[in-house]
Amino acid sequence: GENVEQHPSTLSVQEGDSAVIKCTYSDSASNYFPWYKQELGKGPQLIIDIRSNVGEKKDQRIAVTLNKTAKHFSLHITETQPEDSAVYFCAFRAGANNLFFGTGTRLTVIP
Amino acid sequence: GAVVSQHPSRVICKSGTSVKIECRSLDFQATTMFWYRQFPKQSLMLMATSNEGSKATYEQGVEKDKFLINHASLTLSTLTVTSAHPEDSSFYICSARDPRGSSEQFFGPGTRLTVL
Repeated sequence: GENVEQHPSTLSVQEGDSAVIKCTYSDSASNYFPWYKQELGKGPQLIIDIRSNVGEKKDQRIAVTLNKTAKHFSLHITETQPEDSAVYFCAFRAGANNLFFGTGTRLTVIP
Repeated sequence: GAVVSQHPSRVICKSGTSVKIECRSLDFQATTMFWYRQFPKQSLMLMATSNEGSKATYEQGVEKDKFLINHASLTLSTLTVTSAHPEDSSFYICSARDPRGSSEQFFGPGTRLTVL
């Protein structure tokens, strides 16, 4: 089956520092890579995504990079704030198939 | 982004009863919706893909007679947990893909089901 590895499982950073979460996928046909933020008791919220024809995408403090050769993509959050604390999930999709999710990273931003 | 709603947000029921969860796309029409289940501190597990006007496609290991899915319109899909048992207690989340975009998939706020 499809597989995506996500690291680290937990991450604590000081407010203002950067946070990086990495995911590695298995399907070379994957063409869509979203990142979701999930707060306690809520559904996942799409925060940024990238398609296979792009190597990097940035939206204010959030950026995603994609290395198709190595089959990994990363989420970068700069100038972290306490409200960034949540669980982050990477995901990927190949074609019109379903999304496959990573195992999640619990990010804690320490004020 | 597109908005997906779920109702109810929380439900507590007795063993043996059935519970229906509604999922609506509020500002777009979704021919395909997805139902996920999430256990505490774990990732999302896809249960089934709901297709408007046709039968749902269930993932391996998911009992279709226990988790009934109906996608009666382009904005509404329902998941009915039949004869619920305590082990069915979980966080159920629906999702829909916005056809106006190329690939974005949006999630509802989730439904916390507790079976006593």
